[in-house]
Amino acid sequence: DTAVSQTPKYLVTQMGNDKSIKCEQNLGHDTMYWYKQDSKKFLKIMFSYNNKELIINETVPNRFSPKSPDKAHLNLHINSLELGDSAVYFCASSQVGQGRLDEQYFGPGTRLTVT
Amino acid sequence: AQKITQTQPGMFVQEKEAVTLDCTYDTSDPSYGLFWYKQPSSGEMIFLIYQGSYDQQNATEGRYSLNFQKARKSANLVISASQLGDSAMYFCAMREGNFGNEKLTFGTGTRLTIIP
Repeated sequence: DTAVSQTPKYLVTQMGNDKSIKCEQNLGHDTMYWYKQDSKKFLKIMFSYNNKELIINETVPNRFSPKSPDKAHLNLHINSLELGDSAVYFCASSQVGQGRLDEQYFGPGTRLTVT
Repeated sequence: AQKITQTQPGMFVQEKEAVTLDCTYDTSDPSYGLFWYKQPSSGEMIFLIYQGSYDQQNATEGRYSLNFQKARKSANLVISASQLGDSAMYFCAMREGNFGNEKLTFGTGTRLTIIP
């Protein structure tokens, strides 16, 4: 009964390809996020969705397109992959407005390697 | 300007000793939340502890406590009686925004190594 799951866990692909990462949460949360962790371990938010609506888009190249078919899913599609896209991508979810309970639950991460 | 600053890139601590990981933050929002996450070598992000800006008392969760000094804008993590399994990256994060546009801003992390 995993809370936040991501597939795939590892993704190795060549420059120029298009790939998708899927995320699902079974916590009933209304907000989901994508974070990118670079090779220096720095974590930065990319997107957030609240009830399927895009809320935060942190100056991410438009090659990255998130899609939220429903509250429990947030997928990330990346077009024309570049070497600099190599990173670990984390999905997270939270139930906002809950005070200390609105911690963000993270998925296990997807390690993307672009060759 | 950095919103979350962790000044210790790495720390080595003897097993069973207490350790303090530093975190300072910068915000003009009166309502915010501070989190600490642990990332072991396996890569997952594990929530450790939370402190709300209006909380009167310092947060504690088992061996973890948060030394919250609001006037100094610091939120240091204290781990008592350190164990080998505490070796990991530790990230301080601040929640900004509210009701749907919230996001976490992370510090650069501290790599903690516990020495047997």
